[in-house]
Amino acid sequence: KNEVEQSPQNLTAQEGEFITINCSYSVGISALHWLQQHPGGGIVSLFMLSSGKKKHGRLIATINIQEKHSSLHITASHPRDSAVYICAVRSEGNKLVFGAGTILRVKS
Amino acid sequence: DGGITQSPKYLFRKEGQNVTLSCEQNLNHDAMYWYRQDPGQGLRLIYYSQIVNDFQKGDIAEGYSVSREKKESFPLTVTSAQKNPTAFYLCASSRGGGYGYTFGSGTRLTVV
Repeated sequence: KNEVEQSPQNLTAQEGEFITINCSYSVGISALHWLQQHPGGGIVSLFMLSSGKKKHGRLIATINIQEKHSSLHITASHPRDSAVYICAVRSEGNKLVFGAGTILRVKS
Repeated sequence: DGGITQSPKYLFRKEGQNVTLSCEQNLNHDAMYWYRQDPGQGLRLIYYSQIVNDFQKGDIAEGYSVSREKKESFPLTVTSAQKNPTAFYLCASSRGGGYGYTFGSGTRLTVV
């Protein structure tokens, strides 16, 4: 079993829909990251959080440390949000352990 | 603007040849990392360096080598000993100590 599990693996939504991507982890962590990877391959860091909730524009990330679970929400989704969203947890030694990613496609 | 530069973006090599992937950062970050990405899998750590002239093996170091002679540079050599070298390779850096990461745009290596 992977230490970081994401769901769903693939997600197709209509423009304007509210989207939720989930991440569960089994290791002790000091922080959790949400990353976005566009088709060209480059990765952008969206959030780093260790408790509670963070918001940036239409993106919201939450984490529940007790349940070892995090969610990434996208409100009013748009085709430009189409990308791979990756959850990563920072374990001992400042190393990241990555989920396999969620492929999101938003149709207009 | 500060960032990480990986080059080249696409690289083709014949089987049995060594190849070196470049990673340069001007963020003054102490720590640098190399990851490998395969379809349907999460990124896996190949090597990392937390300070100049020091580096550590990650989870899949076999068949790879690195050097860290300068703070700005962390090149990765894919040797002929790597059995399945075709993959997407990402370099990242961080200030360390729990700060966020910056990623490069990646190099897609194809070995034929």
